[in-house]
Amino acid sequence: QSVLTQPPSVSAAPGQKVTISCSGSSSNIGNNYVSWYKQLPGTAPKLVIYENNKRPSGIPDRFSGSKSGASATLGITGLQTGDEADYYCGTWDSSLSAGVFGGGTKLTVL
Amino acid sequence: EVQLVESGGGLVQPGGSLRLSCAASGFTFTIYWMNWVRQAPGKGLEWVANMNQDGSKKQYVDSVKGRFTMSRDNAKNSLYLQMNSLRAEDTAVYYCARTDYGGNSLGYWGQGTLVTVSS
Repeated sequence: QSVLTQPPSVSAAPGQKVTISCSGSSSNIGNNYVSWYKQLPGTAPKLVIYENNKRPSGIPDRFSGSKSGASATLGITGLQTGDEADYYCGTWDSSLSAGVFGGGTKLTVL
Repeated sequence: EVQLVESGGGLVQPGGSLRLSCAASGFTFTIYWMNWVRQAPGKGLEWVANMNQDGSKKQYVDSVKGRFTMSRDNAKNSLYLQMNSLRAEDTAVYYCARTDYGGNSLGYWGQGTLVTVSS
């Protein structure tokens, strides 16, 4: 059971928008920055959002992040087949003194 | 170019030990916190441990405390994970990753090394 809760799967058509939620508590999301990672099958995760809503160099502005209280959301607009992947939220948990991840969400672009 | 290359994975019997290494290049290793993250086959990501720049501060997930020890050699730009008393549930791909931003955001990851604990 993951500390952070994500939906197991989401889907949308090419060109559409999708959001992925990540729910936590005051000890993690509520008081720490949230990151989002994209993982293609058989490859290492890749950072797509850091500090709640910032994009690393090279990540298109179709990717966005937001946080409200103890929940965070990843948004992807203009969906492309290359966006199909598993997406994980992550943060630090101050009570556990440990990094924590969500269980992952499989995005399918129909 | 930032590179993190893990090695040392393999098949080990329950109760056995293994030492993973992560060779870092393309950046100033000495100024970054570093992490180990694992992923069991078909499962999600699990943060394992991290360490500060000089190795004086280490933090571990509860499930590995007392069994795993993280270390680093800044002269060799290398990170290590000594894993003892291995269990079947430790079977996973182990990634080393660099902390780049707040909230322990992991900006760069290695390709991973597979550890299989089985008799």
